[in-house]
Amino acid sequence: SQQGEEDPQALSIQEGENATMNCSYKTSINNLQWYRQNSGRGLVHLILIRSNEREKHSGRLRVTLDTSKKSSSLLITASRAADTASYFCATAGTASKLTFGTGTRLQVTL
Amino acid sequence: GAVVSQHPSWVICKSGTSVKIECRSLDFQATTMFWYRQFPKQSLMLMATSNEGSKATYEQGVEKDKFLINHASLTLSTLTVTSAHPEDSSFYICSTDAAGRNYNEQFFGPGTRLTVL
Repeated sequence: SQQGEEDPQALSIQEGENATMNCSYKTSINNLQWYRQNSGRGLVHLILIRSNEREKHSGRLRVTLDTSKKSSSLLITASRAADTASYFCATAGTASKLTFGTGTRLQVTL
Repeated sequence: GAVVSQHPSWVICKSGTSVKIECRSLDFQATTMFWYRQFPKQSLMLMATSNEGSKATYEQGVEKDKFLINHASLTLSTLTVTSAHPEDSSFYICSTDAAGRNYNEQFFGPGTRLTVL
């Protein structure tokens, strides 16, 4: 399978803390994307980082990419209860289709 | 971002019946749509890529005669699960990459939960 691996599978933190999720993949990529999924819903695109980029920020989100290690991380700072969701990384090669990671279930408690 | 809708949002059917799921792009022309299947607490698995006006491209292990895809217009793609069985129960999600906008970013529909009794 070409599917990427994410860790941790589940993460529980308190509001205000930072949450870090990691993603590893197997093949060369054009870009890597992070998506969020609330329970029973579709996915929402969070951020895209290209293969020639090493770090990217968007609001409280920070994404890093290490193509030599075939890995990426997503950091959510100052987490809120509303950040509770599943987070997936997805890699894109030269074709338009995406390959999703196994996901991290984040629980943010008050 | 682009808006994608799916209908129905959930469906329960008897084993052996066929179920059609619609995926619509509401504010742009979608030449390519993707169909995924997601089992509980698992990731999305791409089933097929749907191209407007041509045959869909199925991923390895996905039966094209069981999962019929039609993409007859730039705003509508349909997935028909034929002769559904309980093992087909899953969450089906469509998406499009809204080609010409943000490269490779995909916009997802809200999903359809299929339960086969």
